[in-house]
Amino acid sequence: GAVVSQHPSRVICKSGTSVKIECRSLDFQATTMFWYRQFPKQSLMLMATSNEGSKATYEQGVEKDKFLINHASLTLSTLTVTSAHPEDSSFYICSARGLGVYEQYFGPGTRLTVT
Amino acid sequence: GIQVEQSPPDLILQEGANSTLRCNFSDSVNNLQWFHQNPWGQLINLFYIPSGTKQNGRLSATTVATERYSLLYISSSQTTDSGVYFCAVDPITQGGSEKLVFGKGTKLTVNP
Repeated sequence: GAVVSQHPSRVICKSGTSVKIECRSLDFQATTMFWYRQFPKQSLMLMATSNEGSKATYEQGVEKDKFLINHASLTLSTLTVTSAHPEDSSFYICSARGLGVYEQYFGPGTRLTVT
Repeated sequence: GIQVEQSPPDLILQEGANSTLRCNFSDSVNNLQWFHQNPWGQLINLFYIPSGTKQNGRLSATTVATERYSLLYISSSQTTDSGVYFCAVDPITQGGSEKLVFGKGTKLTVNP
């Protein structure tokens, strides 16, 4: 149980375009989803927290107009990187937790390369 | 904010050896989790252990919440144990936000 998927696993896009990443909880209802960013050989940094049906809460320094998060249902959250630039290239990972459950379960990640 | 320090930063073992990874945190926590990030980037849940001791096969973990540290034990290591081990905590001072703060990880390499 507690499986989280992400799509796509890898994406290459041109500078100035937008990219959407999907995060799905496959076998449980995710009341809260989290989006992280990880640079090579570094730890995970939380970008934002999203609860189903409400606006995401962004961490300090994360541009909410650049990283659009939508948590439309209890099994799906999306992260859209708008007007991507090479410095947005990174490994993006989502996690999810269910109601009354403290553990977070992580997706396999999406590697974004902006050329 | 809370500080999460993991040691050692790097560890190289021969297959079959045992090891202990440490996580120190500077404030009280609601939640503590250990993860293994495999070479493909997937984080695998190892333990949810805000206090006490748990065991799962060759792995076990102990958290002493009053002294603000947690230990992850790996016995009879295998090459498939290679990767980065992260400790992550949800500080009480966050007021139930459930956000995890990650340590910098311990990179484990197990040689055949």
